[in-house]
Amino acid sequence: SYVLTQPPSVSVAPGQTARITCGGNNIGSKSVHWYQQKPGQAPVLVVYDDSDRPSGIPERFSGSNSGNTATLTISRVEAGDEADYYCQVWDSSSDGGVFGGGTKLTVL
Amino acid sequence: QVQLVQSGAEVKKPGASVKVSCKASGYTFTGYYMHWVRQAPGQGLEWMGWINPNSGGTNYAQKFQGRVTMTRDTSISTAYMELSRLRSDDTAVYYCARDSPYSNYIDYWGQGTLVTVSS
Repeated sequence: SYVLTQPPSVSVAPGQTARITCGGNNIGSKSVHWYQQKPGQAPVLVVYDDSDRPSGIPERFSGSNSGNTATLTISRVEAGDEADYYCQVWDSSSDGGVFGGGTKLTVL
Repeated sequence: QVQLVQSGAEVKKPGASVKVSCKASGYTFTGYYMHWVRQAPGQGLEWMGWINPNSGGTNYAQKFQGRVTMTRDTSISTAYMELSRLRSDDTAVYYCARDSPYSNYIDYWGQGTLVTVSS
């Protein structure tokens, strides 16, 4: 089955740029989606199809995907961005969803 | 507006079964696949499977095949997830989540249902 690998944690100071990676075999050939989850809440979609943003998501959130790595970039990080972030793809071979292990973003 | 409202928390003994419901509103229930995703305490998201509410067709993650059953009742716009032969490591928050019509991502989530398995 398809495996997605994320770093367990990323730390960044307010106002700086956070980059969260998601590794997978030839992930550049898949559409990658990103979710933000704050404690005690359901996840929220922040980026879909590699780099598109749902309505209501700030432009500070962006994504890219190439080769074996997809990246979620959060510019001008704010305290309110502190959360767990998960990448997700669709595995066509199993016709099922796959999530990365999640990355905890800490705003210093 | 789209809403997915799940049933309340459950406490079950090992070996028992649990059935979680997810009532949809604000959209055409039969027009969108429904996923089930779980999250053990302090752990990440785990995809369990999907159901096509229109046809009733399902696809389960291999890990849960033989133990999970996803069904729906279109007359009340409700999806169900039943997990049998519960173990302590099934303790988790279970989410229903609507599939986007455009690509295979989740655009709406239920509030989650905590299932605790304990003797």
